[in-house]
Amino acid sequence: AQSVAQPEDQVNVAEGNPLTVKCTYSVSGNPYLFWYVQYPNRGLQFLLKYITGDNLVKGSYGFEAEFNKSQTSFHLKKPSALVSDSALYFCAVKGAGSYQLTFGKGTKLSVIP
Amino acid sequence: NAGVTQTPKFQVLKTGQSMTLQCAQDMNHNSMYWYRQDPGMGLRLIYYSASEGTTDKGEVPNGYNVSRLNKREFSLRLESAAPSQTSVYFCASSELAGGPIYADTQYFGPGTRLTVL
Repeated sequence: AQSVAQPEDQVNVAEGNPLTVKCTYSVSGNPYLFWYVQYPNRGLQFLLKYITGDNLVKGSYGFEAEFNKSQTSFHLKKPSALVSDSALYFCAVKGAGSYQLTFGKGTKLSVIP
Repeated sequence: NAGVTQTPKFQVLKTGQSMTLQCAQDMNHNSMYWYRQDPGMGLRLIYYSASEGTTDKGEVPNGYNVSRLNKREFSLRLESAAPSQTSVYFCASSELAGGPIYADTQYFGPGTRLTVL
């Protein structure tokens, strides 16, 4: 079985400060990892994904994520947070032997002006 | 290019009523999915269609049926709605067949907010 844990229900960060949203995963074999963002009353928007290769993945809106195989983590980062980054962030994993994408419970990011 | 569209946006049902949620995509994607989103639980897969003509159960299929009408359209039916089915429903699509060797990106519609009284 595959699973994702987002240990923080909410993250607060001051505008201009770096932000990190944490994600750990469990899967058999090599993982495919994704980050999505959801703004209020909207669908999910794709930010970035890791398939293979470079452990640092760059995505939309200045976000990046670092894959760490030994720690089974895929944390989302941004060097300087914007108020407009305030949203709900979801990490998701798909094992190489699975048809299904499994989502974490989400982390609410609030960027304070 | 509208991406993934869903109708209706909002719906209120009484227990026991039936309804069909519609989803269409104009990206020529092969795979389509239905999820439900509940507070504090993330998204859970209800059914998916890896390619036209096939459908498979996801994590929480009980109480639902699906139809892959053609390559563009994938509908979700509630035959006898229950209050436990109050949720936000999202449809998604991806380009490649949802096979185990692919990491294709799923693109989501805006959602249908369903309340069952």
